[in-house]
Amino acid sequence: AQKITQTQPGMFVQEKEAVTLDCTYDTSDPSYGLFWYKQPSSGEMIFLIYQGSYDQQNATEGRYSLNFQKARKSANLVISASQLGDSAMYFCAMREGGYGGATNKLIFGTGTLLAVQP
Amino acid sequence: EPEVTQTPSHQVTQMGQEVILRCVPISNHLYFYWYRQILGQKVEFLVSFYNNEISEKSEIFDDQFSVERPDGSNFTLKIRSTKLEDSAMYFCASRPQATTEAFFGQGTRLTVV
Repeated sequence: AQKITQTQPGMFVQEKEAVTLDCTYDTSDPSYGLFWYKQPSSGEMIFLIYQGSYDQQNATEGRYSLNFQKARKSANLVISASQLGDSAMYFCAMREGGYGGATNKLIFGTGTLLAVQP
Repeated sequence: EPEVTQTPSHQVTQMGQEVILRCVPISNHLYFYWYRQILGQKVEFLVSFYNNEISEKSEIFDDQFSVERPDGSNFTLKIRSTKLEDSAMYFCASRPQATTEAFFGQGTRLTVV
């Protein structure tokens, strides 16, 4: 079964507008973490934002915020005031188990390709 | 700012040849990972390495693959006899003992011909 689901293969947004990228997850572990990474066309993976399962508040990092709805098992990324440089592939990922564990591997979704239009 | 460094950035190899992908993790990190991303697909976990041994490996990580940390700085992924389907971007990542995100290298694009 898919553990991380990103249902939007591609999204368009106008420059300076906000956009929401969807991510749902599935786990029975009470302790987990959710991540968003950005992959520009050059290929590197850039960490954007993290949300722990026990965090009471939604994570924010500059123009990025994570809309964490635990009961719905969703962790949507909101990018405010989109810029042309935001055009990239965006991956949602999950780590099961508390951090500090020997593995803590990440399980990735299939990604959403965001295109910011001028 | 410290970063994970991977070499080479691009490698082309003949089918059946051995390749070694190299990574220099961030110096105080203790957990190391290899992931791969076949073109246009999602990133997949291959192997995790801690305390000089493999802590977990995926089904993809069969006998053709091996990892080593030969000295205090390098972390290598070896593919013994490459197949066409090994063509992918390979990412190294590392993590300190108690933190959240893994830091990824810029990737090595492996092309098997």
